[in-house]
Amino acid sequence: NAGVTQTPKFQVLKTGQSMTLQCAQDMNHEYMSWYRQDPGMGLRLIHYSVGAGITDQGEVPNGYNVSRSTTEDFPLRLLSAAPSQTSVYFCASRTVNSPLHFGNGTRLTVT
Amino acid sequence: AQKVTQAQTEISVVEKEDVTLDCVYETRDTTYYLFWYKQPPSGELVFLIRRNSFDEQNEISGRYSWNFQKSTSSFNFTITASQVVDSAVYFCALSEARGADGLTFGKGTHLIIQP
Repeated sequence: NAGVTQTPKFQVLKTGQSMTLQCAQDMNHEYMSWYRQDPGMGLRLIHYSVGAGITDQGEVPNGYNVSRSTTEDFPLRLLSAAPSQTSVYFCASRTVNSPLHFGNGTRLTVT
Repeated sequence: AQKVTQAQTEISVVEKEDVTLDCVYETRDTTYYLFWYKQPPSGELVFLIRRNSFDEQNEISGRYSWNFQKSTSSFNFTITASQVVDSAVYFCALSEARGADGLTFGKGTHLIIQP
């Protein structure tokens, strides 16, 4: 049972490049979400999904897109990377009565 | 709007001392959940506890204990006889019971246990 798997673990982008952060869970959890962690800021919600085909915005959605075509996968897309998106990104999932299970994070640097 | 405040940015104690991490929250909901997560230097987020708003009983798990007081909107975390392995960043978080998803996190307390 792998839990929540994020890839890649590290990524360096140049300003303006696009990329997709992958997230997959094998626990059949309905809810999935993306957070970013910045120094001194805690974790902030970017986007979330309550099930396949349903997504919604969190606290800091600008510059990010998501989709949920399957229960297992919840990719996060950066369409045109900016230095302000340098951060550590965490994907998480849960079912109705469980706490959030987090992936190990993706450290993204935008130069 | 929900808010979680962890006023202690960093705490440093000597091993075997007891230490309490403070968490104060704001919410308009009557039903909600409170959480503590640990983030060790390796970076992963480790779930420690979830408490719902109707359960004000204190909880103890080994050297860890939690004190939930609705009257003061606080959910404090105490580590007894601290160990070097307890060194980490600790996050308090809040979610609405009816909410789909998201937790509102505090900014974290960096706990340093010195040998």
